[in-house]
Amino acid sequence: GGIITQTPKFLIGQEGQKLTLKCQQNFNHDTMYWYRQDSGKGLRLIYYSITENDLQKGDLSEGYDASREKKSSFSLTVTSAQKNEMAVFLCASSPRGDTQYFGPGTRLLVL
Amino acid sequence: GDSVTQTEGPVTVSESESLIINCTYSATSIAYPNLFWYVRYPGEGLQLLLKVITAGQKGSSRGFEATYNKETTSFHLQKASVQESDSAVYYCALGSTGGNNKLTFGQGTVLSVIP
Repeated sequence: GGIITQTPKFLIGQEGQKLTLKCQQNFNHDTMYWYRQDSGKGLRLIYYSITENDLQKGDLSEGYDASREKKSSFSLTVTSAQKNEMAVFLCASSPRGDTQYFGPGTRLLVL
Repeated sequence: GDSVTQTEGPVTVSESESLIINCTYSATSIAYPNLFWYVRYPGEGLQLLLKVITAGQKGSSRGFEATYNKETTSFHLQKASVQESDSAVYYCALGSTGGNNKLTFGQGTVLSVIP
């Protein structure tokens, strides 16, 4: 088995701040994903990466950057935190074309 | 685009009662989508409950079942007799085959089982 680790678990930022969330997986999966979940809503895809150094935009990529410098890690940056960005960010990974496994999430609160 | 709609929650049922959580999908960009049910138990991360990749097939796990119905574009989750430990948030999702396997999720259904 493997595990997905997300850091930090909680992230408190100021409006306008640049914030970075990190994700590590030891499944040796090819594909990694970042989703955002707002309260009472489903997950929405922000970015995904099918291999090291690859980046693909999801439905919600505006306002975010991502980086996949190693196969095992995938970072997400909120380029300028907004007051209404209070959400849970979920990282996932999958073997190519197969089931996604999710991390525990990072809870973001912008003051 | 693709979309998934599921039963609005919260849903409350008594232990040993039957359960159905409806899920319908629209797959405009995927000819043969894969269908999934994910679950988040209290204090835990999102995890796969079951998946079906072929229309007409049924998936099952932990007493739950769901049948991939391409005619009605539905993938309803059912259980004959729920337990208190089934209390969780359930998400229906559809995904593409191939390299990226992007998932489109429903909004989630909160299930509370009363002992």
